[in-house]
Amino acid sequence: DTEVTQTPKHLVMGMTNKKSLKCEQHMGHRAMYWYKQKAKKPPELMFVYSYEKLSINESVPSRFSPECPNSSLLNLHLHALQPEDSALYLCASSPSRDILDEQYFGPGTRLTVT
Amino acid sequence: DQQVKQNSPSLSVQEGRISILNCDYTNSMFDYFLWYKKYPAEGPTFLISISSIKDKNEDGRFTVFLNKSAKHLSLHIVPSQPGDSAVYFCAARILDGYGGSQGNLIFGKGTKLSVKP
Repeated sequence: DTEVTQTPKHLVMGMTNKKSLKCEQHMGHRAMYWYKQKAKKPPELMFVYSYEKLSINESVPSRFSPECPNSSLLNLHLHALQPEDSALYLCASSPSRDILDEQYFGPGTRLTVT
Repeated sequence: DQQVKQNSPSLSVQEGRISILNCDYTNSMFDYFLWYKKYPAEGPTFLISISSIKDKNEDGRFTVFLNKSAKHLSLHIVPSQPGDSAVYFCAARILDGYGGSQGNLIFGKGTKLSVKP
């Protein structure tokens, strides 16, 4: 199983809503990542978890709150988002954070904030 | 300020011919380079990589060339097939500054390849 799954595929939320994005992998990978991709832009790293501990937070606003409940799951909790947060949110995983480990990406969640 | 640049947003090639996708980078600290392929409604899929100590890596129809002095890499697809039509992202990894081998991916904007039958 070389798959990273993400739910939901699409999400529309208002600026006062609270929602969560979910990511799951069963490859035994110990590094998991959240990326944000706006239209016609490259994916940009948001958070990195290594062995279930937050390793990197790329100065992401606090309205985005990551959580790694176990080695297979990664959540991104959303609260009080802005319309400019509308984007494709990609989850990825890799065996570790070693430079030679390739990252496997999920299909993404298309988020629209109204 | 983009550290990884893919200056061609799109490329159209005839089936059976060679596709050449280009990527330039500005940071000489990048140590490892990757190409990802992305179909619509899917996440990026790893294609091929190259370490900065090499100048060429080949995997079937895909070959990546690295020119460190020019800070340039290219992906060659020979022969191109209609199923290769996708967006191709160049990515680079930079060491995290703690002396280890961990790094973060920095992506280019992507080049949309269309292979016509």
